[in-house]
Amino acid sequence: AQSVAQPEDQVNVAEGNPLTVKCTYSVSGNPYLFWYVQYPNRGLQFLLKYITGDNLVKGSYGFEAEFNKSQTSFHLKKPSALVSDSALYFCAVRDESNYQLIWGAGTKLIIKP
Amino acid sequence: DTGVSQDPRHKITKRGQNVTFRCDPISEHNRLYWYRQTLGQGPEFLTYFQNEAQLEKSRLLSDRFSAERPKGSFSTLEIQRTEQGDSAMYLCASTRTSGKSETQYFGPGTRLLVL
Repeated sequence: AQSVAQPEDQVNVAEGNPLTVKCTYSVSGNPYLFWYVQYPNRGLQFLLKYITGDNLVKGSYGFEAEFNKSQTSFHLKKPSALVSDSALYFCAVRDESNYQLIWGAGTKLIIKP
Repeated sequence: DTGVSQDPRHKITKRGQNVTFRCDPISEHNRLYWYRQTLGQGPEFLTYFQNEAQLEKSRLLSDRFSAERPKGSFSTLEIQRTEQGDSAMYLCASTRTSGKSETQYFGPGTRLLVL
């Protein structure tokens, strides 16, 4: 069965420091991996996705994510955090067999000035 | 703003009442998804359409939930005889079919509170 785990409910980072939001997954075939961000009382905004190719994927707002097949991970990263990055981040996965996305429970990212 | 709109943004209703939510996808998108999101959780898939055809509805939470997309454009999600447990954010997403790599674009959601 497909699943996604975001092991940290909350991540706290000082402004200007690098940030990492962790995601691990389990699928039966090749994974298609996504990161979305959700601001309070808003819908989900697409950040980036991994389909195939280069393991380092660059996305919106300076975010990037690294696909690691052996560790079944797809961690979200940013070299220098901004206070405005504070939000809820969701990792999602689908495999080759269907279109349904499976979502993690989300990680609350807090960037402190 | 992704271009996907949802109406209303907020709905307060009494237990037992019926509610209907509308989603207008990005105009060239032929696939439309409905999700439910409760506090502290990721979105939970409910159903999806390709054009006007509802291709998956087994994940609808009960027979009180139904969805339509009559002309392959906007969609509605109806909940009959609402219960307090239906209180949640209901999200709509759309995409232009491009295989498994398609990206879903979400609307702002409709927050439902059942009293």
